[in-house]
Amino acid sequence: EPEVTQTPSHQVTQMGQEVILRCVPISNHLYFYWYRQILGQKVEFLVSFYNNEISEKSEIFDDQFSVERPDGSNFTLKIRSTKLEDSAMYFCASGRDRQGNVPLHFGNGTRLTVT
Amino acid sequence: AQRVTQPEKLLSVFKGAPVELKCNYSYSGSPELFWYVQYSRQRLQLLLRHISRESIKGFTADLNKGETSFHLKKPFAQEEDSAMCYCALKGNTDKLIFGTGTRLQVFP
Repeated sequence: EPEVTQTPSHQVTQMGQEVILRCVPISNHLYFYWYRQILGQKVEFLVSFYNNEISEKSEIFDDQFSVERPDGSNFTLKIRSTKLEDSAMYFCASGRDRQGNVPLHFGNGTRLTVT
Repeated sequence: AQRVTQPEKLLSVFKGAPVELKCNYSYSGSPELFWYVQYSRQRLQLLLRHISRESIKGFTADLNKGETSFHLKKPFAQEEDSAMCYCALKGNTDKLIFGTGTRLQVFP
């Protein structure tokens, strides 16, 4: 069964550095998402992406965050200048259709640690 | 405001016992409700969605609009049911609103 893959599994970075989290969604999926989970807290929506543009973003997704689908297969999340509070597990997800009609497939996550 | 509440952080039962994981939601419109699970060392995956009205791995969940609940139930728990279980809500946009999760532990 095809899976959403995320790399790296763990990223350690210093405060103020830029990080790029990478995701390869399932190939025939059209809807892409990033969620994050700070340790001990709930999974939170960051952004949804469809037809090469952001369709929705949360208050967390400020100017320090950006997403891109540079080559039709990868889907990246960039944090321009990381803060300590960005430390979290970041999950990429993709869906063939809008959520509710078909399952959303999640990746294994990237654990980001900002020191 | 859209909110999902899972009051139990941990639910421990013995194999063969019934389980009920509670989920309450707050949403002014007609929501879609889901249960996602994360087994040990595995990714988050969909277990149930209310529109399907199906039973998966013996689990069922009924949307009760009067009580704004979507509790997950199984009459006889199995050890392999042990997982982190998240209730989630989708409103009129694409995003999922997750609860804080309940860890289900099924002892042999």
